[in-house]
Amino acid sequence: NAGVTQTPKFRVLKTGQSMTLLCAQDMNHEYMYWYRQDPGMGLRLIHYSVGEGTTAKGEVPDGYNVSRLKKQNFLLGLESAAPSQTSVYFCASSQGKWRQPQHFGDGTRLSIL
Amino acid sequence: TQLLEQSPQFLSIQEGENLTVYCNSSSVFSSLQWYRQEPGEGPVLLVTVVTGGEVKKLKRLTFQFGDARKDSSLHITAAQPGDTGLYLCAGAVKDSNYQLIWGAGTKLIIKP
Repeated sequence: NAGVTQTPKFRVLKTGQSMTLLCAQDMNHEYMYWYRQDPGMGLRLIHYSVGEGTTAKGEVPDGYNVSRLKKQNFLLGLESAAPSQTSVYFCASSQGKWRQPQHFGDGTRLSIL
Repeated sequence: TQLLEQSPQFLSIQEGENLTVYCNSSSVFSSLQWYRQEPGEGPVLLVTVVTGGEVKKLKRLTFQFGDARKDSSLHITAAQPGDTGLYLCAGAVKDSNYQLIWGAGTKLIIKP
């Protein structure tokens, strides 16, 4: 049972480059989320989706875009990477609203040089 | 800005000792969750508390939700090396469209 799968696991980019982080879940969850985790700051919500075809901004959305074309996939894009976006990115999914448990992937460690 | 403060930030103790970590805020939460995260992995849910004063037990871990639903604690009895990890609390706040507010975490190391 895969749960939530994130690809890639590691990536190094140069400033200004673009990339897409992929997230796939096999639990038929409606809600999906993208977080970033930085030392001493906990998890911060970037964008989230409450269903196929919908997206919404979280706490720190600037510099990121997302798409949810299929229920099982949630993509996070960086159009022009900046060193401030160096972080560990986590995707999560849940059956329902915020009170429901969130299931996380193992993260993507991204470094922007 | 709603904050959820966890203390201590770091704790290193010997196997067999007891410990308590805290999660505090000025906000009232509709629910609060505790997660554990191990290196290289995502957080995994341990428990959700909903009612003020609620106490839940998970083997040697005891979770308590404050009466006013502004704080929570996690107590570990007779800690074991397998308890090592980053413990995160996350609260759902009604005024934030139930968005989860995350604490920065308590890094726990249990030495054999």
